[in-house]
Amino acid sequence: GAVVSQHPSRVICKSGTSVKIECRSLDFQATTMFWYRQFPKKSLMLMATSNEGSKATYEQGVEKDKFLINHASLTLSTLTVTSAHPEDSSFYICSARSAIQSGAFAYGYTFGSGTRLTVV
Amino acid sequence: GENVEQHPSTLSVQEGDSAVIKCTYSDSASNYFPWYKQELGKRPQLIIDIRSNVGEKKDQRIAVTLNKTAKHFSLHITETQPEDSAVYFCAATIHTTGNQFYFGTGTSLTVIP
Repeated sequence: GAVVSQHPSRVICKSGTSVKIECRSLDFQATTMFWYRQFPKKSLMLMATSNEGSKATYEQGVEKDKFLINHASLTLSTLTVTSAHPEDSSFYICSARSAIQSGAFAYGYTFGSGTRLTVV
Repeated sequence: GENVEQHPSTLSVQEGDSAVIKCTYSDSASNYFPWYKQELGKRPQLIIDIRSNVGEKKDQRIAVTLNKTAKHFSLHITETQPEDSAVYFCAATIHTTGNQFYFGTGTSLTVIP
């Protein structure tokens, strides 16, 4: 089945530094990548949607200058948390969408394994 | 946009009993309803899904029902086992257009041995 490799799985960084999270689709082309954030014991909240080769669309309340998303190829999307602060500590997870067939119910969705970010 | 509500937020059952988790959605255009199981620190795993043209789907101990008129769908787990303990999320989306998933708030299920 489709696999999305997400790295790193865990990262601890100092306040003020930037952290890059990568999601790679290993055996399919991810035309769209959804980036989610999950706080402990909470649901997955969509941060942004990125389509290959175009600018990401951010959800209301998500700072696009703080959470930089790049989707330069059909197999790689990155999320960079710039000038991270302790309140950015969270579980970040990507979900890749691929076209699996034509017609109705034409898309497959595959989650990455998540990145636990801790800002100290 | 879509709004998905999920109840209960926590659920404890004795091993062997059944567990039921319910979700409601607001957008009548939503046509795909997956259920995910997430263990601590892990990615959500798709356990079952249902499309709007079906009222019920079953896979061994897991079943999902959908009432399009009332805009609600439910997850049923029978003969629960300790390894079923996890957080379960429902979601809704307009699958034919490849939209984002709108997730419920999650249910923490604990199966007591």
